[in-house]
Amino acid sequence: DTGVSQNPRHKITKRGQNVTFRCDPISEHNRLYWYRQTLGQGPEFLTYFQNEAQLEKSRLLSDRFSAERPKGSFSTLEIQRTEQGDSAMYLCASSLVMGLGNEQFFGPGTRLTVL
Amino acid sequence: SQELEQSPQSLIVQEGKNLTINCTSSKTLYGLYWYKQKYGEGLIFLMMLQKGGEEKSHEKITAKLDEKKQQSSLHITASQPSHAGIYLCGADHLDRNAGGTSYGKLTFGQGTILTVHP
Repeated sequence: DTGVSQNPRHKITKRGQNVTFRCDPISEHNRLYWYRQTLGQGPEFLTYFQNEAQLEKSRLLSDRFSAERPKGSFSTLEIQRTEQGDSAMYLCASSLVMGLGNEQFFGPGTRLTVL
Repeated sequence: SQELEQSPQSLIVQEGKNLTINCTSSKTLYGLYWYKQKYGEGLIFLMMLQKGGEEKSHEKITAKLDEKKQQSSLHITASQPSHAGIYLCGADHLDRNAGGTSYGKLTFGQGTILTVHP
């Protein structure tokens, strides 16, 4: 399967714990995005990387959130001291930006439940 | 997002009927993307539109972008139960401060929940 993969698919944690999610983009895609989606809403942008550089972070991304893409391939999203409001689906997408198009292909998501 | 309004929020149709979903942006678009999502799953890419007046089709789904690049519609002909799901439009807005290129990130509408009764 050459699509975007995310692990784990589901994560249940207690408030105050740290969690880390992983995203493996489509091979050779230079951009990687993180979005968050809550029930009944469209995805909201969190941050994105071009290769290993983090180019933009949303105001939604508090200092408890950190994302990395150390070698320009896979990425991790860490949430420290989780809160119940962090419960959501975390989606990763990747794209190959060459010229005009920027089709973003999404992974299956990681559903986080904070108890 | 208030930058992108999608309508209707939900749609229930009988199999075989045609339907249209609309997406309106408050800002000029660099690109407009349509996705389909099954509940609890990731987004499936359907189509991308970039040029004013552009129209694309895939099987029974047609998407159009208006000349002013601020509105798009998704039309399904002869709907089938397999078309059921959540349809999302995603806007890549024009960044005039960056030489008229893309912001890169997508801003999504709330989505349209489509139910098709057999």
